[in-house]
Amino acid sequence: QKEVEQNSGPLSVPEGAIASLNCTYSDRGSQSFFWYRQYSGKSPELIMFIYSNGDKEDGRFTAQLNKASQYVSLLIRDSQPSDSATYLCAVSTGGFKTIFGAGTRLFVKA
Amino acid sequence: DTGVSQNPRHKITKRGQNVTFRCDPISEHNRLYWYRQTLGQGPEFLTYFQNEAQLEKSRLLSDRFSAERPKGSFSTLEIQRTEQGDSAMYLCASSFKPYEQYFGPGTRLTVT
Repeated sequence: QKEVEQNSGPLSVPEGAIASLNCTYSDRGSQSFFWYRQYSGKSPELIMFIYSNGDKEDGRFTAQLNKASQYVSLLIRDSQPSDSATYLCAVSTGGFKTIFGAGTRLFVKA
Repeated sequence: DTGVSQNPRHKITKRGQNVTFRCDPISEHNRLYWYRQTLGQGPEFLTYFQNEAQLEKSRLLSDRFSAERPKGSFSTLEIQRTEQGDSAMYLCASSFKPYEQYFGPGTRLTVT
C-alpha cells in the first residue's frame, strides 16, 4: 500500500464547475497535509495546507481533512482553464520528511 | 522577490561520472530539502537540512549521494558514479515554517 494515494486521472471538468480532488494516506500519525499544484515542466507550488479536521477555505480553494477516515480533499470552485495542472497531495508525520502522492491530473475544458 | 534558485537547470552526463548541483534557498529560510522526481511520480524525499545540520536522510539514498549545506546558506547535492537510474529532476525546496515548502525550478539530470 502506498503511503499517499491519489487517483492519477485525468479528471476533466467544464469551466466554471467544481473540481474535487481526493487523497488518502496510510499513517495515522500524520499531522500536516498539503496540496501542491504542478504545471507541466514546472516545479510544485504550495497552494493549501491544513492541520486540523474540517474545512479550510482560501479564495476558490477549499481543503478538507478527515483524520478518522485518513482522507484529504481539495475543492476548486469556478474552475478555470488555468487550473489545468497536476495536483499533488503531501503528508507529514511530524518529522522532517514529507511524503507526496503521485498526483492527479486536472483538465478544465473551456 | 528572489525565490529558490538551482543550478545548473540541465545536466547531461555519461554513466560513471560525478555531478554536483547547487541550491540557493530563499534568504530567510533556515530549512532546506532535496527531492528527486521522475515522470508521473510525486517528489521523493532525499534529505533535509536545518541551518547547516543534515537532520534526515532517506534510506533510499545510496552512498553515492551526498549533500552539504556549509554555513547554513546554499546547499550542494553530489552524485558519484552516476547510473542511468539516476536520471530525474532534482528539486530543492526551502521553508521558514515547518513543511510549508517553496520549490526551486529543479535540475534535470540525464545520464547517458
